[in-house]
Amino acid sequence: AQKVTQAQTEISVVEKEDVTLDCVYETRDTTYYLFWYKQPPSGELVFLIRRNSFDEQNEISGRYSWNFQKSTSSFNFTITASQVVDSAVYFCALSEPEIQGAQKLVFGQGTRLTINP
Amino acid sequence: EPEVTQTPSHQVTQMGQEVILRCVPISNHLYFYWYRQILGQKVEFLVSFYNNEISEKSEIFDDQFSVERPDGSNFTLKIRSTKLEDSAMYFCASSHSNRVRYGYTFGSGTRLTVV
Repeated sequence: AQKVTQAQTEISVVEKEDVTLDCVYETRDTTYYLFWYKQPPSGELVFLIRRNSFDEQNEISGRYSWNFQKSTSSFNFTITASQVVDSAVYFCALSEPEIQGAQKLVFGQGTRLTINP
Repeated sequence: EPEVTQTPSHQVTQMGQEVILRCVPISNHLYFYWYRQILGQKVEFLVSFYNNEISEKSEIFDDQFSVERPDGSNFTLKIRSTKLEDSAMYFCASSHSNRVRYGYTFGSGTRLTVV
């Protein structure tokens, strides 16, 4: 069965520091998708990125970057020059195999990130 | 950008009462989902729905839960007799196809509090 592990329960850094959130996943499928979502205090899930298993290129979007390492089953997320507004809970998620009907997502436990001024 | 709309944003109900959570998926989406997040915990899949029937449901989705697409636009989750442990954030999601590569959109959630 699919599993996502976010070993860091909470991280606290000072503003402008770089921070990396770890995500390790387990799947026997060869085709899958990985996601990162941000959940601010207001509670909604804000989509950040979707990456398919065949695309191992790292991605950068402004201060955000993602490092996908298929060899270690990891999909880590780095925030450069963190800001107070980055404070939130961040979830990594993995899609179920495509052969199994409507695809659902399996979420990790989340990492609560606090950026202190 | 199209959105999945959930109402209400917050609902308080007494234990034992029935509650209906409402969702309006993106108009051309065909697959619909409910997820639950107990406070401080991870987001968990409840149920998926396609072609007016349940595609898959989790162990959490017991006989107290039901889903319906009553009028072609709304997608509802009903909890027949709420328990304290049903207090959670409930997220609706929709997708155009059964493949996440084509997009998967979450609503902003309904926070259910059972007292």
